[in-house]
Amino acid sequence: SQTIHQWPATLVQPVGSPLSLECTVEGTSNPNLYWYRQAAGRGLQLLFYSVGIGQISSEVPQNLSASRPQDRQFILSSKKLLLSDSGFYLCAWSTGFPNIQYFGAGTRLSVL
Amino acid sequence: DQQVKQNSPSLSVQEGRISILNCDYTNSMFDYFLWYKKYPAEGPTFLISISSIKDKNEDGRFTVFLNKSAKHLSLHIVPSQPGDSAVYFCAASLKTSYDKVIFGPGTSLSVIP
Repeated sequence: SQTIHQWPATLVQPVGSPLSLECTVEGTSNPNLYWYRQAAGRGLQLLFYSVGIGQISSEVPQNLSASRPQDRQFILSSKKLLLSDSGFYLCAWSTGFPNIQYFGAGTRLSVL
Repeated sequence: DQQVKQNSPSLSVQEGRISILNCDYTNSMFDYFLWYKKYPAEGPTFLISISSIKDKNEDGRFTVFLNKSAKHLSLHIVPSQPGDSAVYFCAASLKTSYDKVIFGPGTSLSVIP
């Protein structure tokens, strides 16, 4: 069966520090991969998605970037965190149509 | 421009009664719709979906209805249970863009024992 791992679960970082969140999927090949952010009391905002290795689409221009170095690995990064980067970050995968996405447990990021 | 709308931020229902969560969309090209359930500090979990060629889909206590002419769908939960208390997200896929799904802002459901 397929599983998705996302870590860390919780992260507290100072403003201006770098960020690296990792997500890996097991049990499937060539998945579509997604990074979302949920700000406090808000819905899910799609940040990046990838349909293949090295293919990244950005939905919202911001302080973050994403990379897909391997088929089932998706990384969310920042060189310098801002206070506004705080939120709940979610990784998800799907195998195409129907586009049912399966989410990781999320990372709570607090930028102080 | 919000293409998927959930105009009720919250809903309270008595245990055993019906919960009806509503969702409206603006893009007539959407052809697949999904509902997700999310508990605090967890990732959303897929609940039920419906294709635009159908107007109803059932799975146990959960039924989704689609009204394409009104660009409206709803999720019915019968009977509601305290464990159903969560945030429910409506989502939609575009025919020409199966690689991403557009989520609504969510409705927080509280089922009161």
